[in-house]
Amino acid sequence: NAGVTQTPKFQVLKTGQSMTLQCAQDMNHEYMSWYRQDPGMGLRLIHYSVGAGITDQGEVPNGYNVSRSTTEDFPLRLLSAAPSQTSVYFCASSQTRKPNTGELFFGEGSRLTVL
Amino acid sequence: GDSVTQMEGPVTLSEEAFLTINCTYTATGYPSLFWYVQYPGEGLQLLLKATKADDKGSNKGFEATYRKETTSFHLEKGSVQVSDSAVYFCALGGNQFYFGTGTSLTVIP
Repeated sequence: NAGVTQTPKFQVLKTGQSMTLQCAQDMNHEYMSWYRQDPGMGLRLIHYSVGAGITDQGEVPNGYNVSRSTTEDFPLRLLSAAPSQTSVYFCASSQTRKPNTGELFFGEGSRLTVL
Repeated sequence: GDSVTQMEGPVTLSEEAFLTINCTYTATGYPSLFWYVQYPGEGLQLLLKATKADDKGSNKGFEATYRKETTSFHLEKGSVQVSDSAVYFCALGGNQFYFGTGTSLTVIP
């Protein structure tokens, strides 16, 4: 079972560069989301989607862009990387459109360093 | 808004010791409550959940009871093992998922 797959696992960028973190799930989940994990701050929601063609902002959306053209994929784009975006990024999905009662399934994470 | 506050770590225990990790929440409405666990180098995975007041979630010897009167969802285990060493996150499911800051647990033989 693949579950939620994130690529790449590690990435080093220079300030100002752009890149895309990929996320794919094979569970036909409607809900997908991106979190960043920083020491002492837990997980913070960046963007989320409740279905193909529908996205919305979370707690910390600035500097990030998302789209959801298919049920399976939910890429996260960094438009112009900054050192403050150095973090571990997690993609998560849920079967239900409102995830509050359902289980979130997480990918293994993508560690991004911005120099 | 909705939020979760959990006990700061790190916590170090000897094998077979009793574990408590405190978690309190602030929420409007009737959220669900969760404990997630993150092993080194991995993503988070659900440990247990409770969807209404007085529910008890349990899994792998861990338990937590949804207490509306004290707005708490403390995680407990009677006898920890080395394999329980991980980071534990309390989470609230309301309009969105809200996670606590995580508590690192190390169990020494």
